[in-house]
Amino acid sequence: SQQGEEDPQALSIQEGENATMNCSYKTSINNLQWYRQNSGRGLVHLILIRSNEREKHSGRLRVTLDTSKKSSSLLITASRAADTASYFCATLGNNAGNMLTFGGGTRLMVKP
Amino acid sequence: NAGVTQTPKFQVLKTGQSMTLQCAQDMNHEYMSWYRQDPGMGLRLIHYSVGAGITDQGEVPNGYNVSRSTTEDFPLRLLSAAPSQTSVYFCASSYFGDTEAFFGQGTRLTVV
Repeated sequence: SQQGEEDPQALSIQEGENATMNCSYKTSINNLQWYRQNSGRGLVHLILIRSNEREKHSGRLRVTLDTSKKSSSLLITASRAADTASYFCATLGNNAGNMLTFGGGTRLMVKP
Repeated sequence: NAGVTQTPKFQVLKTGQSMTLQCAQDMNHEYMSWYRQDPGMGLRLIHYSVGAGITDQGEVPNGYNVSRSTTEDFPLRLLSAAPSQTSVYFCASSYFGDTEAFFGQGTRLTVV
């Protein structure tokens, strides 16, 4: 079963606009990670936020984490056509031996 | 560094055939894992390893075997291929369990 669920499932915006994707999860976590997947390629790590952190930035990416609501959001500012991809959140549980559990992803299309 | 290398990139099997998907990493990572990705879904964990000689089952292990004789290699064996195993398979590695994961480019498997 999937731990995380992304919302929306698909998002289409114009270049220059901001894109926001949300992730909800069910059980307590050690950390939450966001990955990008270009069509037909492997996943690329974007950002990791630990359970005791509330916000992290990396370039045009901003991630927030609300452990009380068991949710996270990924904001991409000033989007570019090259940002077109699927974005996945993945959670790592607190138990020893836990591995990443992925959500179903958000397909982002940025129109030039 | 090559990162995580998966072979082959594409494979067609007949029902009942067996095969091994190869995965190698050159980053001296302890943690390695296999995921499958089906259309419109996120990644589901098949098997994982927290170090050489140690393997464990993930969410969907049936029909697959793994072994970890070296730190670098983590092959995935399909014992008797079934059409339900048609999927894209990703291998991933990480230094620790709670750090970012690096993914291979995937193996697209079709079972007819």
